[in-house]
Amino acid sequence: QVQLVESGGGLVKPGGSLRLSCAVSGFTFSDYYMSWIRQAPGKGLEWVSYISISGSTIYYADSVKGRFTISRDNAKNSLYLQMNSLRAEDTAVYYCARDRRTVPSANNWFDSWGQGTLVTVSS
Amino acid sequence: SYELTQPPSVSVSPGQTARITCSGDALPKQYAYWYQQKPGQAPVVVINKDSERPSGIPERFSGSSSGTTVTLTISGVQAEDEADYYCQSADSSGTYVVFGGGTKLTVL
Repeated sequence: QVQLVESGGGLVKPGGSLRLSCAVSGFTFSDYYMSWIRQAPGKGLEWVSYISISGSTIYYADSVKGRFTISRDNAKNSLYLQMNSLRAEDTAVYYCARDRRTVPSANNWFDSWGQGTLVTVSS
Repeated sequence: SYELTQPPSVSVSPGQTARITCSGDALPKQYAYWYQQKPGQAPVVVINKDSERPSGIPERFSGSSSGTTVTLTISGVQAEDEADYYCQSADSSGTYVVFGGGTKLTVL
């Protein structure tokens, strides 16, 4: 059974940092791209970042570029999101998702999601 | 930046057909995907590659594409279909992921 479990969310002050983790099981992590997607309270979905299988290809949404860093550890079946210089508008539930972009020529889409971890940026 | 446009809300009576549209300039080049999200839950993909229905998704869900618009159709809507629906695709280069703003489907 595919499982993705996010952790690391919480309350942080503006300008602060937080590191999210996503532990996966039930599938071969090193066979899949992975993504982070967020959802502000009462708002829609916003893609944040994705990382290729080897970690050599990474892209970010403009809203987080230069502040967030995605990474993965295939030996630990884990995905990470380092968030720096956090702003109030980063407040959201952050989901990790299994990304079906298996090769560069394919599309990103998401067939398995975690339950999310809430990040609140407030003074 | 590239955007996908959805109507904020759609309302239908049980048993009727609901159609939710999503418009974007790159949709003739890029596939679209549809997700259903119920309150407090993570999204679930209901249509991939414009019109493919994943296993486990009821046959009443279908997708179609025409030019710069893709459409999610739910035939014979049931009360359990009340949810937010999001389209998702990519920019023209296929590099960046984009979600539509979401459509709240209300079953009257």
